Amino acid sequence: QLQLQESGPGLVKPSETLSLTCTVSGGSISSSRYNWGWIRQPPGKGLEWIGSIYYSGSTYYNPSLKSRVTISVDTSKNQFSLKLNSVTAADTAVYYCARHLYDSAQYDYWGQGTLVTVSS
Amino acid sequence: SSELTQDPAVSVALGQTVRITCQGDSLRTYYASWYQQKPGQAPVLVFYGENNRPSGIPNRFSASSSGNTASLTITGAQAEDEADYYCNSRDSSGNHLVVFGGGTKLTVL
Repeated sequence: QLQLQESGPGLVKPSETLSLTCTVSGGSISSSRYNWGWIRQPPGKGLEWIGSIYYSGSTYYNPSLKSRVTISVDTSKNQFSLKLNSVTAADTAVYYCARHLYDSAQYDYWGQGTLVTVSS
Repeated sequence: SSELTQDPAVSVALGQTVRITCQGDSLRTYYASWYQQKPGQAPVLVFYGENNRPSGIPNRFSASSSGNTASLTITGAQAEDEADYYCNSRDSSGNHLVVFGGGTKLTVL
């Protein structure tokens, strides 16, 4: 059974960089069938797609976040990561990592999510 | 980029049928996927593509699409179906971008 697990600091100061890692177990991140993505959800609000990455390193970002986001993959560790720089309180959210079929949008496996609070 | 619009809230009597809709230009090209999210939990994929229900999802969940509107139908809603429902799809730009709808809060009365 595929499992995804987010990890990283739960508290980030304004203007600093948010960094999260998603560890994939029970399957290979190098599969050509899938992309790996990040989605976030501010408290009490809806889901927002941040971006996704293919095992080869090709990345796709939400245009509204593109200038601040970097997603990378480490196939040797079966992990992919998110960096969001210059954070503000508006970036406070539960951050999910998830898998979707390449060339589609259906996210079939999700991590449990991790709350990141931006505060001094 | 594209947008997907959902009604903020819908209610249904126990055992009745409810339809949750999602509108957007991208749905003229791409199928919607549907997710159920209960409080404090990650979203769960409940329907995708033309006619695909993941393993373990009850067959009371179905979906359809016409023009720029996709619909998720729950036939015989149960108390445990009370949740937030989100649609998403590929962005109509064709650049592997993804867009989510704003979500619909379903209340089962």
